[in-house]
Amino acid sequence: EAGVAQSPRYKIIEKRQSVAFWCNPISGHATLYWYQQILGQGPKLLIQFQNNGVVDDSQLPKDRFSAERLKGVDSTLKIQPAKLEDSAVYLCASRPGGPDTQYFGPGTRLTVL
Amino acid sequence: QQQVKQSPQSLIVQKGGISIINCAYENTAFDYFPWYQQFPGKGPALLIAIRPDVSEKKEGRFTISFNKSAKQFSLHIMDSQPGDSATYFCAASLYYGGSQGNLIFGKGTKLSVKP
Repeated sequence: EAGVAQSPRYKIIEKRQSVAFWCNPISGHATLYWYQQILGQGPKLLIQFQNNGVVDDSQLPKDRFSAERLKGVDSTLKIQPAKLEDSAVYLCASRPGGPDTQYFGPGTRLTVL
Repeated sequence: QQQVKQSPQSLIVQKGGISIINCAYENTAFDYFPWYQQFPGKGPALLIAIRPDVSEKKEGRFTISFNKSAKQFSLHIMDSQPGDSATYFCAASLYYGGSQGNLIFGKGTKLSVKP
């Protein structure tokens, strides 16, 4: 079974630029998450989708971050404009409808200069 | 009340020794406590998880001990191996409607197992 795919793996941008990350969850997984992991910290949830609907986006900085899940499968996370403090690894995870386990992708490491 | 506090921040153990990582939580409504293992350049992977109706769960060399009254839980790695060297995260969440809620992660413990 293929795992959660993310691209790109690395991205370096200047502050005030925009950037987008892509996630392809495990086939059939209804729930998709985006996390931000700052160096030396645990992942922090940004947004949770159930199929193509948003379940929880309470911690998403909506003035600069946006996310969508097209047709309940792939998802994109966008930052516009980026700030220095957005430098982090952005992790995507997916989960089947019932069981508890979240399966994480390898992440995208973003550096904002 | 949503925090999960993890200690130590880093841990060095000799091969064959026991690694112990501790976590404490504040929200008494949490009822699902997983541990995740993360290798450099990889996403976290579920290692073992427990619900508060049991005080201990063992899977191979990995054991979770859970103390509901103290609001603490810990991960024990027996016979630690160099391949166990990774960052370990505890987490907690609510479990409702037959489904897991959002995970609150600790800050992580970097484990190094020396040969």
